[in-house]
Amino acid sequence: SQQGEEDPQALSIQEGENATMNCSYKTSINNLQWYRQNSGRGLVHLILIRSNEREKHSGRLRVTLDTSKKSSSLLITASRAADTASYFCATDEGYGGATNKLIFGTGTLLAVQP
Amino acid sequence: SAVISQKPSRDICQRGTSLTIQCQVDSQVTMMFWYRQQPGQSLTLIATANQGSEATYESGFVIDKFPISRPNLTFSTLTVSNMSPEDSSIYLCSVGTRYSSRIHGRTDTQYFGPGTRLTVL
Repeated sequence: SQQGEEDPQALSIQEGENATMNCSYKTSINNLQWYRQNSGRGLVHLILIRSNEREKHSGRLRVTLDTSKKSSSLLITASRAADTASYFCATDEGYGGATNKLIFGTGTLLAVQP
Repeated sequence: SAVISQKPSRDICQRGTSLTIQCQVDSQVTMMFWYRQQPGQSLTLIATANQGSEATYESGFVIDKFPISRPNLTFSTLTVSNMSPEDSSIYLCSVGTRYSSRIHGRTDTQYFGPGTRLTVL
């Protein structure tokens, strides 16, 4: 399977703390994206980092990418109860042509306690 | 990003029946995809819905079980045929967007519909 691995599988923290999730993948990529899913609903696109980028910020989100280790991390700072959700990484493996398939990681379930 | 809707949002079906899920986008898009998310699992790509031609299925998924239509650039349907309890999942459609720049080259991403939660008894 080409599916990426995420760890931890589940993470429980207190409001105000930082949450860090890690993603590893297996092949070379064009970019890596992080998505959030609230309780069995659709996925919300959070942030995209390209293969030639090492770090990216968006509000309280910070994403890093290490292509030599084939890994990425998502940091959520000053977490809130509303951040409770499952978080997935997804890689675009850079197929040529018109197809842009994404390969999803196994996901991290984040619970932020008020 | 495109606004994507799915119908139905959820359904409970009997074994052996079929359910057709609709995905509507508010703008024309080239790429549309269908995913399955089994309980507690990640997303697995079922197929790429191609406008005007047969869908491209991933390994483990076949047209007889998951027929897909894509009559135009804003609409697609996925049918789950001859359902069994193992088909209980969330089914999600997504649209692919691509933009290019001189600096970054090609960048692809996907935006998802709200999903259809299917329970098969």
